[in-house]
Amino acid sequence: NAGVMQNPRHLVRRRGQEARLRCSPMKGHSHVYWYRQLPEEGLKFMVYLQKENIIDESGMPKERFSAEFPKEGPSILRIQQVVRGDSAAYFCASSPPIDNEQFFGPGTRLTVL
Amino acid sequence: AQKITQTQPGMFVQEKEAVTLDCTYDTSDQSYGLFWYKQPSSGEMIFLIYQGSYDEQNATEGRYSLNFQKARKSANLVISASQLGDSAMYFCAMREGGYSTLTFGKGTMLLVSP
Repeated sequence: NAGVMQNPRHLVRRRGQEARLRCSPMKGHSHVYWYRQLPEEGLKFMVYLQKENIIDESGMPKERFSAEFPKEGPSILRIQQVVRGDSAAYFCASSPPIDNEQFFGPGTRLTVL
Repeated sequence: AQKITQTQPGMFVQEKEAVTLDCTYDTSDQSYGLFWYKQPSSGEMIFLIYQGSYDEQNATEGRYSLNFQKARKSANLVISASQLGDSAMYFCAMREGGYSTLTFGKGTMLLVSP
């Protein structure tokens, strides 16, 4: 049973480009969470999704950031027109419908030049 | 106010000694859960231990135990018999009430020396 998969593991973008981060939850998990970790900081919640629904996006910046979790395929965190301050590690976690324990992926490290 | 406070930016311990990493939390919910995660230099988040607010006994997982003092709102992680491989960042996190999301502290860097 594979764990939570994230790709790419490392992503480099220039200012103004788009970044797409993918997360495949563990088998049987229908809940996905995205967290951001800035350098020297703990993880901060961004968005919580279930299949085809955004449940809580209270931690998501209002502009340039969006997330989806389609019926088929991975969850995508999309950052448009990236700026240097978007450089961070982005972690995805998944959980099954009943148990709330979250299993984390290895993270995607985004560097904006 | 900070929901999770980890007051120790860094801790040093010698191999085979025990170490306690502090965590205090702030919530008005009666039902909540407390988690500890380890983040080695490779960057992944590794789940260590969980304590529910209604659990009467302190959680233990191998060399990890959670010293849960509900009245003080503290959930300190105790690592017994430290190993070199324990060197990492350690994060305390909380899940409140009906919410599924986790709130993390800023972490404590633990360095284990030979």
